[in-house]
Amino acid sequence: GIQVEQSPPDLILQEGANSTLRCNFSDSVNNLQWFHQNPWGQLINLFYIPSGTKQNGRLSATTVATERYSLLYISSSQTTDSGVYFCAVFPYYGQNFVFGPGTRLSVLP
Amino acid sequence: NAGVTQTPKFQVLKTGQSMTLQCAQDMNHNSMYWYRQDPGMGLRLIYYSASEGTTDKGEVPNGYNVSRLNKREFSLRLESAAPSQTSVYFCASRLHSGELFFGEGSRLTVL
Repeated sequence: GIQVEQSPPDLILQEGANSTLRCNFSDSVNNLQWFHQNPWGQLINLFYIPSGTKQNGRLSATTVATERYSLLYISSSQTTDSGVYFCAVFPYYGQNFVFGPGTRLSVLP
Repeated sequence: NAGVTQTPKFQVLKTGQSMTLQCAQDMNHNSMYWYRQDPGMGLRLIYYSASEGTTDKGEVPNGYNVSRLNKREFSLRLESAAPSQTSVYFCASRLHSGELFFGEGSRLTVL
């Protein structure tokens, strides 16, 4: 089946810093989503981005489906950005989403 | 608009007891899912229902049963709970090939 890798596994930032999270996948996909799991465990939808670039405030995402990767950019990070960021892909010939292992982000005040 | 609602949010069981986790969505979505998340790990699919009247096994179905009661509701049942089923359970739904939306999770502890 499709493999989904996320890097880095852990990231510690000072408040105000920028960061880039990466999601690599091993096969063609129909859909791709980024989620933020906050410290209370809630899974929050960030982007639904099978291809192209989207922006929402300080966050933006780019998916290059032909090269099988997606990037999540966080600018001017805040402590509320802390948590785990998951990438999930829907394989072109698959039945369900496959989740990456996540990137754990800690933003220090 | 409530989205995806799960109940209960917390439950403690003794080994061998049974329970049902309830999930309902008000977005008129076709597909519904049950995932489990263990500490420090990602999400693993237990069962899913691509449409009303159908259910299929996911990655980790052993020890669970599901019922797609109608288009809105998808329940997960543990017939004889085991400590290995201690986890956080998430219900999710989506419309055809669209975006996946999660409920807030149900934390289950089996003693």
